[in-house]
Amino acid sequence: AQKVTQAQTEISVVEKEDVTLDCVYETRDTTYYLFWYKQPPSGELVFLIRRNSFDEQNEISGRYSWNFQKSTSSFNFTITASQVVDSAVYFCALSEALGYSTLTFGKGTMLLVSP
Amino acid sequence: GAGVSQSPRYKVAKRGQDVALRCDPISGHVSLFWYQQALGQGPEFLTYFQNEAQLDKSGLPSDRFFAERPEGSVSTLKIQRTQQEDSAVYLCASSLNQANQPQHFGDGTRLSIL
Repeated sequence: AQKVTQAQTEISVVEKEDVTLDCVYETRDTTYYLFWYKQPPSGELVFLIRRNSFDEQNEISGRYSWNFQKSTSSFNFTITASQVVDSAVYFCALSEALGYSTLTFGKGTMLLVSP
Repeated sequence: GAGVSQSPRYKVAKRGQDVALRCDPISGHVSLFWYQQALGQGPEFLTYFQNEAQLDKSGLPSDRFFAERPEGSVSTLKIQRTQQEDSAVYLCASSLNQANQPQHFGDGTRLSIL
């Protein structure tokens, strides 16, 4: 069975601080995909990134970066120089490579960035 | 619009009533998913369609839940004899195919059962 754990329920930072959101996953599959989604107060889940299990290279996109460590089953997400608009709930998710690509989500981390 | 559209945005029903939630996926998207998101939780899978075929309904919590996608485009999630524990946000997502392409989500329908 697949499981995603986001141990941080809520994080509060002040604008311009860096913040890291943790994600630990469990799967018996050798090939799988990992995702991060952002859910602002409007409710829509916004896709941020997809990584496959064979690609452990870290990725940077603007102020966002992701650290995938297969050895520790972690896929952490860092926002550099946070902004108020980053305030949202962030979900880490996992899907198997085969089958229907159903997403297994963590419980989410609420990020509050204050001015 | 170009995104996934869900209606209604909010639905309030009395316990025991039937409700129908609509999802209009992105045009051309083969795969369609329904998820249920309880307050303070992550979305949980309900069911999956590939075109008009419902290939997985293992996440539907009871036989009161029924989903269809008769023409491979718009999908409806129906809940019969609603109960208070059905209160949640129901999210629809679509993707180009099932090969782990990113799922694009709608804004969801917030269902409240009184």
